[in-house]
Amino acid sequence: NAGVTQTPKFQVLKTGQSMTLQCAQDMNHNSMYWYRQDPGMGLRLIYYSASEGTTDKGEVPNGYNVSRLNKREFSLRLESAAPSQTSVYFCASSEIWGRDIQYFGAGTRLSVL
Amino acid sequence: RKEVEQDPGPFNVPEGATVAFNCTYSNSASQSFFWYRQDCRKEPKLLMSVYSSGNEDGRFTAQLNRASQYISLLIRDSKLSDSATYLCVVNSGGDSSYKLIFGSGTRLLVRP
Repeated sequence: NAGVTQTPKFQVLKTGQSMTLQCAQDMNHNSMYWYRQDPGMGLRLIYYSASEGTTDKGEVPNGYNVSRLNKREFSLRLESAAPSQTSVYFCASSEIWGRDIQYFGAGTRLSVL
Repeated sequence: RKEVEQDPGPFNVPEGATVAFNCTYSNSASQSFFWYRQDCRKEPKLLMSVYSSGNEDGRFTAQLNRASQYISLLIRDSKLSDSATYLCVVNSGGDSSYKLIFGSGTRLLVRP
């Protein structure tokens, strides 16, 4: 049972480059989330998709876009990477939106030079 | 004031010790509470949900105090493998903002 799978695990970008982080879950969950985690700041919600076909901004959406491709997949795109986007990115999913237990992928460590 | 606040620690305890963490939350409308565990450079994983009546899972006990707006986690007979960061998670409550808020975590180091 894979749970939540994120790719890639590591990435180094130059300022201005673009990339897409992929996330897929096999638990038939309705809701999916993208977080970033920085030292001392905890997890901060970037975007979420409460259900297939919907996406909404979280706490720190600037510089990111998302696509809920289908019920399984939720991607995060950096159009023009900046050093401030150096972080660890986690994708998560839950059966229902908001109050439910969230299950996390292994994370993507991104460095923007 | 942060929505969810935790003492960052680290709490440095010997094996076999009992250790307790508290976490305060600001929104009295919050209804869901969890403790997650995060190992170094790994993803957060659910440790336990926190119910109004309190709950216990082996060496771990979680309590909720709605009046004072805090949750606690008690770990008895600490093991070396308990060394990790413990994240307090609370839903934000309210009519249009049912999302989970993660605390910054409390780091626990269990020494031999």
